[in-house]
Amino acid sequence: EAGVTQFPSHSVIEKGQTVTLRCDPISGHDNLYWYRRVMGKEIKFLLHFVKESKQDESGMPNNRFLAERTGGTYSTLKVQPAELEDSGVYFCASSRGQNQETQYFGPGTRLLVL
Amino acid sequence: AQSVTQLGSHVSVSEGALVLLRCNYSSSVPPYLFWYVQYPNQGLQLLLKYTSAATLVKGINGFEAEFKKSETSFHLTKPSAHMSDAAEYFCAVRLLYGQNFVFGPGTRLSVLP
Repeated sequence: EAGVTQFPSHSVIEKGQTVTLRCDPISGHDNLYWYRRVMGKEIKFLLHFVKESKQDESGMPNNRFLAERTGGTYSTLKVQPAELEDSGVYFCASSRGQNQETQYFGPGTRLLVL
Repeated sequence: AQSVTQLGSHVSVSEGALVLLRCNYSSSVPPYLFWYVQYPNQGLQLLLKYTSAATLVKGINGFEAEFKKSETSFHLTKPSAHMSDAAEYFCAVRLLYGQNFVFGPGTRLSVLP
């Protein structure tokens, strides 16, 4: 069974540009999560999809971030326009069910905004 | 609000020595508790989880953790460190009926020869 995959693995962009991150969850996992770790700080929750619906987006920092999950399969996270403070590692995770169900994490996308 | 603290951002042990990584949480209800490990250039991998069954939980690679409600702790231990254990370790909690993880800041473990 393939794990959670994320693309790209690294991205370096200039302030003001747009970047789109992609996450492919494990097949059959309805729940998809985005997390972010800013340098030197803890991993923080961004949002949670159940299939194609946003279950919880309370962690999204501002309206420069847009997440989609069309068709309930892969998800994209777009940052437009990117700011310096958006630099960090963006993790995606997926799980089959709820509550104690294990979340499986992808390798992350390392974003650097210059 | 929930929070997770991990005492020590960096821990160094000698190969063969006991590994002890500390995790304390604050939660108004008993949470689910997890330990994840991140090896260099890899994603987070689940080590073990506590889900209100046995308080002593055994995980992969010889790690185990004990849930102590009275101390609101979930410390991670391994009797004998191996060089391959060098990584960053994250403690995370999740509310009983919630969905999202709250992570601790992480502890980077170094294993010295």
